[in-house]
Amino acid sequence: KQEVTQIPAALSVPEGENLVLNCSFTDSAIYNLQWFRQDPGKGLTSLLLIQSSQREQTSGRLNASLDKSSGRSTLYIAASQPGDSATYLCAVSGSGGSNYKLTFGKGTLLTVNP
Amino acid sequence: ETGVTQTPRHLVMGMTNKKSLKCEQHLGHNAMYWYKQSAKKPLELMFVYNFKEQTENNSVPSRFSPECPNSSHLFLHLHTLQPEDSALYLCASSPWAGGGDNEQFFGPGTRLTVL
Repeated sequence: KQEVTQIPAALSVPEGENLVLNCSFTDSAIYNLQWFRQDPGKGLTSLLLIQSSQREQTSGRLNASLDKSSGRSTLYIAASQPGDSATYLCAVSGSGGSNYKLTFGKGTLLTVNP
Repeated sequence: ETGVTQTPRHLVMGMTNKKSLKCEQHLGHNAMYWYKQSAKKPLELMFVYNFKEQTENNSVPSRFSPECPNSSHLFLHLHTLQPEDSALYLCASSPWAGGGDNEQFFGPGTRLTVL
């Protein structure tokens, strides 16, 4: 059974700092990996999707990497801002016909202090 | 806005009530999903519908009854719930379920409290 772990569970940084969020998964047979952002009491916003054949994806100040063989992904946030404060969730999808099944981690709660 | 809407946003109900959650997507997708998010636990997939057919029931108790009348609408009918069912219920949609583009788009959720 796939398990996804996110470290750290919570992170507090001053504004302007670069930071890295970590995600690990136990079964490397994945179709892709997604990073989401969730604001308190709200739904999920997709940030980046990395296909299993890719090594990284970039969007603005965000860069996500994937090392499928070692079961790890990182989300790098450059020059953090208070508006980046949210919970960041990592999810992996099953391979083959089960690629719609997402397994989520518990998330990392990020607080960026002004 | 993700193109997925959910109503109501907040719901408080007693254990003997019957209520329904509604989800609508405006993305032209063919797959829709219900997830449950409880405090301190990862999101849990509950049900999947692909082209209006249920393809996944993740051992969900029968007091939760989904309905998908068409590819744009998804309901979750609630009956005789327990306090431990209090959670954020999220709906999502994707182009289809089973291969190819599986990126899921989520609604804002319904915060359910069972008294």
